[in-house]
Amino acid sequence: QITLKESGPTLVKPTQTLTLTCTFSGFSLSTPGVGVGWIRQPPGKALESLALLYWDDDKSYSPSLKSRLTITKDASKKQVLLTMTNMDPVDTATYYCAHRGGSGSYYASWGQGTLVTVSS
Amino acid sequence: SYVLTQPPSVSVAPGQTARIACGGNNIGKRSVHWYQQRPGQAPVVVVYDDSDRPSGIPERFSGSNSGNTATLTISRVEAGDEADYFCQVWDRSSDHPVFGTGTKVTVL
Repeated sequence: QITLKESGPTLVKPTQTLTLTCTFSGFSLSTPGVGVGWIRQPPGKALESLALLYWDDDKSYSPSLKSRLTITKDASKKQVLLTMTNMDPVDTATYYCAHRGGSGSYYASWGQGTLVTVSS
Repeated sequence: SYVLTQPPSVSVAPGQTARIACGGNNIGKRSVHWYQQRPGQAPVVVVYDDSDRPSGIPERFSGSNSGNTATLTISRVEAGDEADYFCQVWDRSSDHPVFGTGTKVTVL
């Protein structure tokens, strides 16, 4: 059974850097084709893909947010981390991590999400 | 970047058929995936690669894709189908996934 769980601060101040952790189980990030992505959703709005980390350590970022994002992994801990700099109130959203299986370009399993509020 | 457009809302009576469109330039040449998101919950994939269903998803959910429009069809709609639905493709130019604007399905 594949599970993912997001963790990190629930409140950050404007201009601060956000670091979120995705802890997963039930799959290996060493398996060819596998990836873990971060997706966010502002309240009442659409999903927005932020970043994706592949089994071979290749990375893909949202073109509009690329300059602010860094995705990394700690394979030994089965974690994927997302860092977003210069946080703004418009970044208030639920942040999800999700598993991309090796055979498709979709997210087969998702974490429960974590709400991050940006406010002074 | 690639843009996917969905109608904001679709209303349907129980037992009837709901059709949700996802528009994009030559979307028929791409693989389209659909997610269901019930209130307060994480998204769940209900259709992938245009028309395939993950195990556990009812046959009432089906997909098609041609030209500039992909469609998710929900047959014999039930109250539990009330949710937001998002389409998703891979944007080759940015090598990154793109989600649609989302459609809220209301069961009357």
